[in-house]
Amino acid sequence: SAVISQKPSRDICQRGTSLTIQCQVDSQVTMMFWYRQQPGQSLTLIATANQGSEATYESGFVIDKFPISRPNLTFSTLTVSNMSPEDSSIYLCSVEYSRSQETQYFGPGTRLLVL
Amino acid sequence: DQQVKQNSPSLSVQEGRISILNCDYTNSMFDYFLWYKKYPAEGPTFLISISSIKDKNEDGRFTVFLNKSAKHLSLHIVPSQPGDSAVYFCAASVRGTGANNLFFGTGTRLTVIP
Repeated sequence: SAVISQKPSRDICQRGTSLTIQCQVDSQVTMMFWYRQQPGQSLTLIATANQGSEATYESGFVIDKFPISRPNLTFSTLTVSNMSPEDSSIYLCSVEYSRSQETQYFGPGTRLLVL
Repeated sequence: DQQVKQNSPSLSVQEGRISILNCDYTNSMFDYFLWYKKYPAEGPTFLISISSIKDKNEDGRFTVFLNKSAKHLSLHIVPSQPGDSAVYFCAASVRGTGANNLFFGTGTRLTVIP
């Protein structure tokens, strides 16, 4: 399987600021996704990052708060905007190599603490 | 509403014995199920999956069993090794609909005692 990396691995941010998280895959993939894992909770899908078009957001998540880019088949970014302490979570990107497989593989995650 | 549930937050097993991790789901439309293992400060690692057309899938020490009528699946690890100590998540999805959502349980922390 491909290597999936995320930057930064962790960060501490002040409320009201924004943070952009990068996800890089070392081979082309069909699908890229962004998840959030809040403390003590399960993983929740934020959105599907679509190459060349706007991301598809799940219920409860909006583009103004979590803008996403996917300029090509190996790279995506997630921005957490106007952060509050409730945004403190682990943010994970995942990829799917082909639609027929439908198994997602995850990056190492970005641990975010908002003060 | 949690559609995938792992009711045991933790499990301790002696090395060499069997570990059984359980998962229940409520959505009868789910037809693809996965288990992931997660170490601290790492992302979830895919372990094994099963389609709803099967009731068992085996890969080395790992076997997943699916009971569709009970909406229950389990992961068996035999024999358990200290390196298996991690948090295990089950996940479920509906294939073929274009939907991409994996629904995750809250995880079970497995500790294998040497």
